[in-house]
Amino acid sequence: AQSVTQLDSHVSVSEGTPVLLRCNYSSSYSPSLFWYVQHPNKGLQLLLKYTSAATLVKGINGFEAEFKKSETSFHLTKPSAHMSDAAEYFCVVSFSGYSTLTFGKGTMLLVSP
Amino acid sequence: GAGVSQSPSNKVTEKGKDVELRCDPISGHTALYWYRQSLGQGLEFLIYFQGNSAPDKSGLPSDRFSAERTGESVSTLTIQRTQQEDSAVYLCASSLGATLGTDTQYFGPGTRLTVL
Repeated sequence: AQSVTQLDSHVSVSEGTPVLLRCNYSSSYSPSLFWYVQHPNKGLQLLLKYTSAATLVKGINGFEAEFKKSETSFHLTKPSAHMSDAAEYFCVVSFSGYSTLTFGKGTMLLVSP
Repeated sequence: GAGVSQSPSNKVTEKGKDVELRCDPISGHTALYWYRQSLGQGLEFLIYFQGNSAPDKSGLPSDRFSAERTGESVSTLTIQRTQQEDSAVYLCASSLGATLGTDTQYFGPGTRLTVL
């Protein structure tokens, strides 16, 4: 069975400081991994995805994530937070040939001036 | 181009009533998915449609839930005899359907259902 654990329910940073949102997954097979962002009262937007190509994945708005198989991790980072980054972030896992996406519980990112 | 749209954006109903939620996928997307997002359960997969194949209904929580899709267009999710625990945001997503599991899914804004 596959599962996703987002290690922090809330992360608070100051504007201009780095962002780290942690995600660990559990699976028996090579997964595809995604990060989605959800702004208040908006739909989910794809930030980036990993599908067995380069392990360092660059996404939109300056975000990137690194797939580390040995650590079963797919942490999301950004060098410098912006106020507009405040939102909820979801780490998601899926497998080729299967329809189901498994979502983490989400991490709320709070950015203070 | 237009994204995934859902209607209504908000729905308030009384316990025991039936509700229909609508999803318009992105044109050309053969795959369509329904999810439920609630405070206690996070985001849960409900059902998946791919072209004319039989849908994957493995995530539907009870037989009060059903969904239809005509060809590769609009889908409706129906909840019969609604219960208070059905209160949630219902999200629809679509994808090209080319590579199941690795396709990017594009999400609609959701329908917030409140059962009184």
